[in-house]
Amino acid sequence: DTEVTQTPKHLVMGMTNKKSLKCEQHMGHRAMYWYKQKAKKPPELMFVYSYEKLSINESVPSRFSPECPNSSLLNLHLHALQPEDSALYLCASSQVDMGFSGNTIYFGEGSWLTVV
Amino acid sequence: KQEVTQIPAALSVPEGENLVLNCSFTDSAIYNLQWFRQDPGKGLTSLLLIQSSQREQTSGRLNASLDKSSGRSTLYIAASQPGDSATYLCAVRRGYGGATNKLIFGTGTLLAVQP
Repeated sequence: DTEVTQTPKHLVMGMTNKKSLKCEQHMGHRAMYWYKQKAKKPPELMFVYSYEKLSINESVPSRFSPECPNSSLLNLHLHALQPEDSALYLCASSQVDMGFSGNTIYFGEGSWLTVV
Repeated sequence: KQEVTQIPAALSVPEGENLVLNCSFTDSAIYNLQWFRQDPGKGLTSLLLIQSSQREQTSGRLNASLDKSSGRSTLYIAASQPGDSATYLCAVRRGYGGATNKLIFGTGTLLAVQP
């Protein structure tokens, strides 16, 4: 099973709302990622968790708050977003590399977010 | 700063043709390179991964090559089919620890295979 599951698939929220995106994997992966993809652009990294600890934050605004409550789950909490934050949010997971460069990163289907 | 470019940006071919997608990167110190496929409005599907020590990988009708010294990778698709129509993205990984554990994506090639 090489599946990363993301919910919801679509989300429309107002600029004053608080919502969360969820991601789940059961492949035993201990690295999990959030990427943001705007239309017709490549994905851009937001956050990386390794062994449930935040290891990379690509200077993402604080209105995006990641959380990794356990080794299978990754959340992205959203608050006071702007219309320009509308995008496809992709979750991914992989083994934590220990020098073996053959570990594939697997992506979910994404959550489409529209901020109105 | 690593920059990844893909040429062409868009490609339209008739069914049955063999084709090559190109990916170039500016920093040859990569950990691995991964090719993905993305259907419209969908997530990314991993196609092939080439480790930094490898020259090529094959899966079915797909063959990916890597030339680190020249900063290039190619994805060869044999006997193309309409179902191959999608955006193809290459991504290089800088490393596996700390701040280097990230994929840098190319600009993508939009492929249309005409029946």
